[in-house]
Amino acid sequence: DTEVTQTPKHLVMGMTNKKSLKCEQHMGHRAMYWYKQKAKKPPELMFVYSYEKLSINESVPSRFSPECPNSSLLNLHLHALQPEDSALYLCASSPSGTTSYNEQFFGPGTRLTVL
Amino acid sequence: AQSVSQHNHHVILSEAASLELGCNYSYGGTVNLFWYVQYPGQHLQLLLKYFSGDPLVKGIKGFEAEFIKSKFSFNLRKPSVQWSDTAEYFCAVGGYQKVTFGIGTKLQVIP
Repeated sequence: DTEVTQTPKHLVMGMTNKKSLKCEQHMGHRAMYWYKQKAKKPPELMFVYSYEKLSINESVPSRFSPECPNSSLLNLHLHALQPEDSALYLCASSPSGTTSYNEQFFGPGTRLTVL
Repeated sequence: AQSVSQHNHHVILSEAASLELGCNYSYGGTVNLFWYVQYPGQHLQLLLKYFSGDPLVKGIKGFEAEFIKSKFSFNLRKPSVQWSDTAEYFCAVGGYQKVTFGIGTKLQVIP
């Protein structure tokens, strides 16, 4: 299995809602990432988990809360989001914790709309 | 801090034309360089990567890139493009612990 899967594909939420995005990989990769991608912009790194520990938080607002329950699963919990948080949220994984050396495998993304 | 600059945001070519997409990076340490591609409706996927050794790197589907350290460049090339190469191409630089992506170049190949 060489896939990174993400659910849901689309999510519409109000500013007072709480929701979660889910990412899963079964390639035995030990680094997992969340990226945010706005239209016509490159993916922007949000969080990196290396061996299930948070290793990078790119000064992301606390309304985004990542969680890595095990080596195959990565969640992004969303609470009190703003309309400007609407974007495509990409999950990726790579074989080891040394993130800059390895190819990253990307999921299809979750298209999030905040009303 | 590391950064990546891609010069061409939208390129239109006819089939069989040659392709060169520019990429310049900025990073003070040992650098790892990547080109990723996103075909319409598909995931981002790796096209090729450079870590060390031969500065001319060959990737999938006939693509290659040349690392020129003195110019801080990692340009992507293909001698003859096909309609199926229509996609968005991202250059990326790997520095300490993270990878930074360029803004992307949309390539449209006309049959």
